[in-house]
Amino acid sequence: ETGVTQTPRHLVMGMTNKKSLKCEQHLGHNAMYWYKQSAKKPLELMFVYNFKEQTENNSVPSRFSPECPNSSHLFLHLHTLQPEDSALYLCASSQGPAGSYEQYFGPGTRLTVT
Amino acid sequence: GQQLNQSPQSMFIQEGEDVSMNCTSSSIFNTWLWYKQDPGEGPVLLIALYKAGELTSNGRLTAQFGITRKDSFLNISASIPSDVGIYFCAGQLIDTGNQFYFGTGTSLTVIP
Repeated sequence: ETGVTQTPRHLVMGMTNKKSLKCEQHLGHNAMYWYKQSAKKPLELMFVYNFKEQTENNSVPSRFSPECPNSSHLFLHLHTLQPEDSALYLCASSQGPAGSYEQYFGPGTRLTVT
Repeated sequence: GQQLNQSPQSMFIQEGEDVSMNCTSSSIFNTWLWYKQDPGEGPVLLIALYKAGELTSNGRLTAQFGITRKDSFLNISASIPSDVGIYFCAGQLIDTGNQFYFGTGTSLTVIP
């Protein structure tokens, strides 16, 4: 138990669906992150939020839309996804200014796009 | 993005053997992290390193921050079956907004 929870753990969706991934951290951290993990590839940073403000968007397609209502919660809204978006989506949080401290990960959401 | 070369890609060892893996880059890093990921779970932080030459242990695990600041090493002594998993290195660059970059992982199999 790392103090970062993610729901759902598994999600299967069609290309025309709209769904949301949720992340919550119980560590009192100020920065939160979304990563994409595909087989045989390094973790890909998608979005960074620092004190609820988005500070990084690594050229992520607009079909992925993040939302950070407060420092403890992070959402990833999904719509009109493609099969190549199937992957493990990981949320992480860190203590200090984004990127300055070690990151703690949630268990991930395994997403399958059909 | 930055490339971290992690090796070996996979290892098959007998229980009780020691394990060594490393991460190298052409860039200079100011922080190195080592994570372990079990199937179906997120990466769990094992060791964090902040200074060149630093050697840090966590139980049977020992990691070192290379003196060139371009590499890091992880050793596991007397491996046990629960060491099975994928081990990732992550490096934080000084001059790119402190973003972390991740290696492709070393898959460890321990044969009882």
